[in-house]
Amino acid sequence: EVQLVESGGGLVQPGGSLRLSCAASGFTFSSYDMHWVRQATGKGLEWVSAIGTAGDPYYPGSVKGRFTISRENAKNSLYLQMNSLRAGDTAVYYCARVSYRSGGWYFDLWGRGTLVTVSS
Amino acid sequence: DIQMTQSPSSVSASVGDRVTITCRASQGISSWLAWYQQKPGKAPKLLIYAASSLQSGVPSRFSGSGSGTDFTLTISSLQPEDFATYYCQQANSFLTWTFGQGTKVEIK
Repeated sequence: EVQLVESGGGLVQPGGSLRLSCAASGFTFSSYDMHWVRQATGKGLEWVSAIGTAGDPYYPGSVKGRFTISRENAKNSLYLQMNSLRAGDTAVYYCARVSYRSGGWYFDLWGRGTLVTVSS
Repeated sequence: DIQMTQSPSSVSASVGDRVTITCRASQGISSWLAWYQQKPGKAPKLLIYAASSLQSGVPSRFSGSGSGTDFTLTISSLQPEDFATYYCQQANSFLTWTFGQGTKVEIK
């Protein structure tokens, strides 16, 4: 079955760290760019990070310098190391696969998400 | 960064109604736009890509149109399972990915 399964979420204090994992199965993981997208409760979707097939990372300004995305193709796994966490980072974090189609990049496979709560 | 603005933020409709949601980009993005459906507690699901291409397995009552800065998602005959929140996403820029704020389709 083609799927993504996230893990590693939980409760962390402000300033703390957490490492999320995403296990991929059913497709050739190494051939796809992979992303993390988050969603605060009752809010919209926010892109958090991306990693290309060659391991090149990309971040928005809101997490740059605090979050690090990485991948381990031999284990079909994606990771997100989150440091210096803030209350505003509280959200469900989704792992997502991106496919390039008709000139654009689209999120065509999503995991079920893992909840990160930053609170004292 | 390219900003995506959806309207309305919510719509109340009945089963069988035709529903149209619009998405406007702050600058031209050609046809590089996607629509996603999200039900409560679930991950988003890709419905439409490249503005008008239907993702495999998505019912034909969903359709998309538009190019440049203005786009629409239409549900031709609303079904009970279509009550959800819908997001647009610009796919024009490789280094940034942005979504609209969402449109909630509610039961009237």
